[in-house]
Amino acid sequence: DSGVTQTPKHLITATGQRVTLRCSPRSGDLSVYWYQQSLDQGLQFLIQYYNGEERAKGNILERFSAQQFPDLHSELNLSSLELGDSALYFCASSLGTGGSGNTIYFGEGSWLTVV
Amino acid sequence: AQKVTQAQTEISVVEKEDVTLDCVYETRDTTYYLFWYKQPPSGELVFLIRRNSFDEQNEISGRYSWNFQKSTSSFNFTITASQVVDSAVYFCALSEAYSGAGSYQLTFGKGTKLSVIP
Repeated sequence: DSGVTQTPKHLITATGQRVTLRCSPRSGDLSVYWYQQSLDQGLQFLIQYYNGEERAKGNILERFSAQQFPDLHSELNLSSLELGDSALYFCASSLGTGGSGNTIYFGEGSWLTVV
Repeated sequence: AQKVTQAQTEISVVEKEDVTLDCVYETRDTTYYLFWYKQPPSGELVFLIRRNSFDEQNEISGRYSWNFQKSTSSFNFTITASQVVDSAVYFCALSEAYSGAGSYQLTFGKGTKLSVIP
């Protein structure tokens, strides 16, 4: 158990809909990351937050947004869903950020299926 | 830009054989971090090891060992006396150290699927 908690574990939704994925980082970790794993793109970095502020953006679509709340949990919002958004979405956390090489621990992922 | 290459897409070994998973990386930074993660069939990503670029000492943890060679930009992973429970997809990842901005991210290889046959 990595200590990173993600909900829901599985969800199925229709095209055009909106879903929210939730993540609680490991106790004491200030950074939260979101990654997407799909068959064709592999594991791709989406976005990072550190102590409530956005720190880095990767290949995140404009239809997707995220935030980190004062209690450090994070949500990833996916809207106007398309079939191609079906993937495993990981949340990860680390103690700090920037040059320290903190270990990044991953949650169990949220399996999203868009039908 | 940073890049991680895991040339072996799939490997099958018979139980108790040793197996080495290759990882080659590209980076312009002199300070960076390398990781290996395991993804079993259940889907979670399990952290195995982190290595700093300035520490080339190889590491052994039980049946697992890692060989880091900066000269060839490789960070290979060996499982000794493989077991069925080792069957999983293994990912190598690279993180560069960004100064000032205070952020970094992992770039993953495509993964190597290891099947250990009883």
